[in-house]
Amino acid sequence: QKEVEQDPGPLSVPEGAIVSLNCTYSNSAFQYFMWYRQYSRKGPELLMYTYSSGNKEDGRFTAQVDKSSKYISLFIRDSQPSDSATYLCAMTPPGGGNKLTFGTGTQLKVEL
Amino acid sequence: DTAVSQTPKYLVTQMGNDKSIKCEQNLGHDTMYWYKQDSKKFLKIMFSYNNKELIINETVPNRFSPKSPDKAHLNLHINSLELGDSAVYFCASSPPGGTNTGELFFGEGSRLTVL
Repeated sequence: QKEVEQDPGPLSVPEGAIVSLNCTYSNSAFQYFMWYRQYSRKGPELLMYTYSSGNKEDGRFTAQVDKSSKYISLFIRDSQPSDSATYLCAMTPPGGGNKLTFGTGTQLKVEL
Repeated sequence: DTAVSQTPKYLVTQMGNDKSIKCEQNLGHDTMYWYKQDSKKFLKIMFSYNNKELIINETVPNRFSPKSPDKAHLNLHINSLELGDSAVYFCASSPPGGTNTGELFFGEGSRLTVL
């Protein structure tokens, strides 16, 4: 079993929909939780990171962490075709450091 | 201005050959990384350097040898290429403080195909 599980999709939604992307993890000692967005044939880019349980909002994006359930989510409001990409969750190890553990990514397609 | 740039973007080669990928960052970061992304999009760290010093060396065949001539450059040399080495190799860097928060800046990747 992988340390971080993520539904690969693809997930197809109409423009304007609210999108929910999720990851579950097994290591309760993970410290920071990140969401990266990766467009086709490009490198991942960091969208948001969170540390504690709760919500963090940035524009149309909200990251949610539930450490008790070992579950993280990324919500995208008013989704746009430009949001079509693969979304990767990632986590830092206990004690910090950038030996990130990534999920396999969820492919999102926002259709007109 | 490209922050993290890698060359070449595409590499097609025969089994048994030796190849190199180069990476440069102009962000002034001290820490650089090589990650490998397989065909299922799974990203896994290979190496990390902090100011030219190797700090992370994952279980990677010793056919892979990273080199950091200075803190802005990190190269990856691969000897005796195998079919299983086919993947996209990403270079990344992180700012001070970013080494704890997972804040990485990735290049666009070097797509290696071994025939």
